[in-house]
Amino acid sequence: EAAVTQSPRSKVAVTGGKVTLSCHQTNNHDYMYWYRQDTGHGLRLIHYSYVADSTEKGDIPDGYKASRPSQENFSLILELASLSQTAVYFCASRPGQGADTLYFGEGSRLIVV
Amino acid sequence: AQKVTQTQTSISVMEKTTVTMDCVYETQDSSYFLFWYKQTASGEIVFLIRQDSYKKENATVGHYSLNFQKPKSSIGLIITATQIEDSAVYFCAMFETSGSWQLIFGSGTQLTVMP
Repeated sequence: EAAVTQSPRSKVAVTGGKVTLSCHQTNNHDYMYWYRQDTGHGLRLIHYSYVADSTEKGDIPDGYKASRPSQENFSLILELASLSQTAVYFCASRPGQGADTLYFGEGSRLIVV
Repeated sequence: AQKVTQTQTSISVMEKTTVTMDCVYETQDSSYFLFWYKQTASGEIVFLIRQDSYKKENATVGHYSLNFQKPKSSIGLIITATQIEDSAVYFCAMFETSGSWQLIFGSGTQLTVMP
């Protein structure tokens, strides 16, 4: 079964500080995604990647950077964390083109104070 | 642009009954893919069931089934013989079939199953 693991699972960050959320998948999936979930809302796409060393912007990329140094790893970087970035972040992966389902990580709860 | 809408924010049902959750979508694609996911209290997001638009038969997996009404752009999730552990948030989603191949999610429906 697909395995996507995220770290840290929970973090409190200071406004203006740098935050890195990491994601690791062990299934040789080509596509990886970072979604954001705000309380009471669905998920919105921040960044995605379909190959190592390349990332693409999703629907809400402002204030976020992404890095895909290898097929297995995909990071989300908040260079200057802000209060509005308090949310739960989900990483997901998918095998390749076509309509295969996404496999989600456990989520990372970020609180910016 | 594609869009997914879930208008029911919360539903409460008695255990062992049947519940239907609504979802409508917008797309210009002639072929598209629809999904339902469950988010548990722990936050875990689990794939439940999918419907490919070119398939005429409604998908069924275990006690989950879909009511796909293509002319109405509607994909309802039906859960029969509900159990306490079915209590969760249910998301409807659609694949964006150009570029990112991301899932576009609805806002979710909170289901509470009461004993």
